[in-house]
Amino acid sequence: NAGVTQTPKFQVLKTGQSMTLQCAQDMNHNSMYWYRQDPGMGLRLIYYSASEGTTDKGEVPNGYNVSRLNKREFSLRLESAAPSQTSVYFCASSLWGRPEAFFGQGTRLTVV
Amino acid sequence: AQTVTQSQPEMSVQEAETVTLSCTYDTSENNYYLFWYKQPPSRQMILVIRQEAYKQQNATENRFSVNFQKAAKSFSLKISDSQLGDTAMYFCAFMKPAGIRGGATNKLIFGTGTLLAVQP
Repeated sequence: NAGVTQTPKFQVLKTGQSMTLQCAQDMNHNSMYWYRQDPGMGLRLIYYSASEGTTDKGEVPNGYNVSRLNKREFSLRLESAAPSQTSVYFCASSLWGRPEAFFGQGTRLTVV
Repeated sequence: AQTVTQSQPEMSVQEAETVTLSCTYDTSENNYYLFWYKQPPSRQMILVIRQEAYKQQNATENRFSVNFQKAAKSFSLKISDSQLGDTAMYFCAFMKPAGIRGGATNKLIFGTGTLLAVQP
């Protein structure tokens, strides 16, 4: 049982490049989330998806887009990466009616 | 809007000793959940303990326990018999639970974290 799997684990981008962070869960969870973690700021919600086919903005959505491809997969896209997007990105999932969220292992992204 | 505050950026404790990490929060909600997550150097986010606001009894998980003071909006984590493997960043988090109907979500609001070092 893999839980929540994120790819890649590490990535270096040049300013202006684009990339997509992938996330998949095998727990049949309904809701999925993308957070970013910055030093001294904890984790902040970027986007979330309550269910397949729906997505909504979180606290810090600017510069990002998301796609809920199916119930298992939720991707995060940076169209034109900026140094301010250097961060660790976490995907998480949860089941309706249950409070626990399960996290992936994170992606460390550096934009130079 | 809800906020979570962790006022101790770093703490240190000797192996086998007890340490308490502080967390305060602000909300006007009556029904909510509070969590402590552990993040070791591996970066994985690990759920340590959970408290439901409607429960007066403090949650306990083995060596980890909380002191939940709802009126004071305080939620501290006590680690007993500290072990080297407890060295990690600890995050306090708040969640206002969404209902099942309509596919609502449970979004977490995190504090800034406390870096705990357990010394041998």
